[in-house]
Amino acid sequence: GNSVTQMEGPVTLSEEAFLTINCTYTATGYPSLFWYVQYPGEGLQLLLKATKADDKGSNKGFEATYRKETTSFHLEKGSVQVSDSAVYFCALPGGSGGSNYKLTFGKGTLLTVNP
Amino acid sequence: EAQVTQNPRYLITVTGKKLTVTCSQNMNHEYMSWYRQDPGLGLRQIYYSMNVEVTDKGDVPEGYKVSRKEKRNFPLILESPSPNQTSLYFCASSSSGGRNTEAFFGQGTRLTVV
Repeated sequence: GNSVTQMEGPVTLSEEAFLTINCTYTATGYPSLFWYVQYPGEGLQLLLKATKADDKGSNKGFEATYRKETTSFHLEKGSVQVSDSAVYFCALPGGSGGSNYKLTFGKGTLLTVNP
Repeated sequence: EAQVTQNPRYLITVTGKKLTVTCSQNMNHEYMSWYRQDPGLGLRQIYYSMNVEVTDKGDVPEGYKVSRKEKRNFPLILESPSPNQTSLYFCASSSSGGRNTEAFFGQGTRLTVV
């Protein structure tokens, strides 16, 4: 079945530092890939997604590129802010045929950004 | 506003006392799921539903029940809770089973079983 391996952290950065959170996956075929973010005390929300190889998803200054050759979808941001402090999850559809009734998540990476 | 609403947000209960966590979505989504989140394990799917009266087990269904009598509601039932069900629970919904479909999550229910 599909699986995700994600850098677990925690990661602590100073404001304006560069962020990379690594994510690699194992999957049948070429599924869509997602990054979800969980702010303190809240549920998960979609941060960005990519639907095919070489696609770049982007949102709120975050980017991730779907790399088929390395089966990776690393999350990056050039200059983090205190408000980016959250838990970040890499995910992909886990159902048969790539359907989205199940999402398989990485274990999450806690990011703390200090002023 | 499009949302998934769970209740309660926090619950402390005793072993063996039946409880229900409610989940409701206002987006007319067909697909709904329950996940639990545990430290070091990430999120794991408990049950899912593809439509009214259609439900199936996820990865960790033991000790849980669900029902889907109406499209908007998907309650999670713990008939005899045990301490190993202490966890953070999330309900999610999506419009279809399509590979590109975004899932929307509720704010979570933190359950403690003593």
